[in-house]
Amino acid sequence: AQSVTQPDIHITVSEGASLELRCNYSYGATPYLFWYVQSPGQGLQLLLKYFSGDTLVQGIKGFEAEFKRSQSSFNLRKPSVHWSDAAEYFCAASNAGGTSYGKLTFGQGTILTVHP
Amino acid sequence: DAGVTQSPTHLIKTRGQQVTLRCSPKSGHDTVSWYQQALGQGPQFIFQYYEEEERQRGNFPDRFSGHQFPNYSSELNVNALLLGDSALYLCASSLGRAANEKLFFGSGTQLSVL
Repeated sequence: AQSVTQPDIHITVSEGASLELRCNYSYGATPYLFWYVQSPGQGLQLLLKYFSGDTLVQGIKGFEAEFKRSQSSFNLRKPSVHWSDAAEYFCAASNAGGTSYGKLTFGQGTILTVHP
Repeated sequence: DAGVTQSPTHLIKTRGQQVTLRCSPKSGHDTVSWYQQALGQGPQFIFQYYEEEERQRGNFPDRFSGHQFPNYSSELNVNALLLGDSALYLCASSLGRAANEKLFFGSGTQLSVL
């Protein structure tokens, strides 16, 4: 079965520290990969996506993610965290190609707390 | 330019009742997908509507049904509510069916079943 796993339920970092959120996927073929952020009372906002090509993907708000096929991973990183980054982060995947029809499989999420 | 709007924002129902949630897609979008997000979980795909037809469905029972209107807005209906249906219901819109990269999510409807 297709699945996305985020091993860390909750991560706490200090403001200014670097951040890495882990994501692993299990799909028959390399899927499309996404990272979304959700703040309380808000919908999901797309941070970045990987379809193909360069394995290091740049996104909004200074985030980047690296696709590693050998490890079936798509980890999210940020070199210096700001207090406003505190939120819940979701990794998601979908079948590649035109048959995905908007069906995303999400991980369970990682809650990020930022200490001043 | 309005984004994806959902109504109501909060709803309380009792077991066995029926509920209808509404979604207006982002301007210019013609495809609507619905997701259920239980507390502490990631969203789960319910189904997607395009050209007023259900195009793909996730692993949800027939109690979950939907509709898309000619103006592309959509409704999610849940019959015979169970306590386990308590969740945040998210609507996402896109242009076309093969457009994951352009999914825009609404803020959701929080459904509580007592």
